[in-house]
Amino acid sequence: QKEVEQDPGPLSVPEGAIVSLNCTYSNSAFQYFMWYRQYSRKGPELLMYTYSSGNKEDGRFTAQVDKSSKYISLFIRDSQPSDSATYLCAMSGADSWGKFQFGAGTQVVVTP
Amino acid sequence: NAGVMQNPRHLVRRRGQEARLRCSPMKGHSHVYWYRQLPEEGLKFMVYLQKENIIDESGMPKERFSAEFPKEGPSILRIQQVVRGDSAAYFCASSPFSGQGAGTGELFFGEGSRLTVL
Repeated sequence: QKEVEQDPGPLSVPEGAIVSLNCTYSNSAFQYFMWYRQYSRKGPELLMYTYSSGNKEDGRFTAQVDKSSKYISLFIRDSQPSDSATYLCAMSGADSWGKFQFGAGTQVVVTP
Repeated sequence: NAGVMQNPRHLVRRRGQEARLRCSPMKGHSHVYWYRQLPEEGLKFMVYLQKENIIDESGMPKERFSAEFPKEGPSILRIQQVVRGDSAAYFCASSPFSGQGAGTGELFFGEGSRLTVL
């Protein structure tokens, strides 16, 4: 069993819809939770960073962490065609920051 | 302010040859991480280096792979006697600190070096 599970998709949504992404994990030591966006043949770029449990909102993006269920989510409101990319969740423990465990990534396609 | 610079962006090698991938971290960053991304898979941690020191190489294959980050110059990931299974995208990331990257949690990634082994 992988430490971080993420549905690879593809997830296709119409423009303006809410995109819902999630990851589950098995390591209770994880404290830092990140969402990265990766366009084709580019490097990952950080979208959201959350420490421990809770919600965090930034513009159209909302990240949620539920440590009791070992489940994290990313929501993208009012999706745009430019949001079409692969979204990677990543997490690490307190003593291993930078040594991230990544999910396999979910490919999202937003159709005009 | 240049980001993390990786070169070459694309590298083709025949089986048995050596591959050298270079990474220049962002200015002022002294912590470098190498990750590998195989097709249809997420990024896998390989090694964490500071200047002249390997801090954590727990993700590096035991043979043929080595990494360095000299006092001067870029970090180098070296793969000797490449095999087809080494074909992947190799990403370098840098951070100014060893923990929580200036409080934002950000690890800055380069554009990657794509290795193809024929």
